[in-house]
Amino acid sequence: SQQGEEDPQALSIQEGENATMNCSYKTSINNLQWYRQNSGRGLVHLILIRSNEREKHSGRLRVTLDTSKKSSSLLITASRAADTASYFCATVFTGANSKLTFGKGITLSVRP
Amino acid sequence: GAGVSQSPSNKVTEKGKDVELRCDPISGHTALYWYRQSLGQGLEFLIYFQGNSAPDKSGLPSDRFSAERTGGSVSTLTIQRTQQEDSAVYLCASSLTRVALLEQFFGPGTRLTVL
Repeated sequence: SQQGEEDPQALSIQEGENATMNCSYKTSINNLQWYRQNSGRGLVHLILIRSNEREKHSGRLRVTLDTSKKSSSLLITASRAADTASYFCATVFTGANSKLTFGKGITLSVRP
Repeated sequence: GAGVSQSPSNKVTEKGKDVELRCDPISGHTALYWYRQSLGQGLEFLIYFQGNSAPDKSGLPSDRFSAERTGGSVSTLTIQRTQQEDSAVYLCASSLTRVALLEQFFGPGTRLTVL
């Protein structure tokens, strides 16, 4: 399967701590995107990193991409209770145009 | 501005019945996608429309599933002779073009329950 795989499947941290979530994939990509899904809601795009980029920042979010290891990480710094959600990595494989392939997601719980 | 909207938000149907799910993409977005999310799972790609091009139907799980996009805007996903395994949240997304570097904007989804 080309599906990305996130790790861990679930993460529980205290408010103020950093949360690190990982994603691995199997074939070459055009770009990798992270999305957040609050319970019962649609997905919200967080950040996109291209295959020729190694790191991107957006507010409290930091994404890294290592194409040699076919892996990415999403770091949320100074977490807040409102960060509680499911996080998905999605990859656009080379030649797949804009079709996203999603992983199964990571459930993040931030305890107040 | 208005985001992607989907209707109904919830649909309960009996096994064997047909259902239609509707998606209104963001105005001006030429690309439209349908995904299915089963409980505790990631999103499964179903079908993709881009302008007047032939849709990419490679993700449709069976010939009971079909989708239309009329006038390059509203899309309808139809499931015929529903089965219990069709129960899932069906998500629609749109983006400005088919260019791979653009984010997709998702609707809130339709939760389908087949009894």
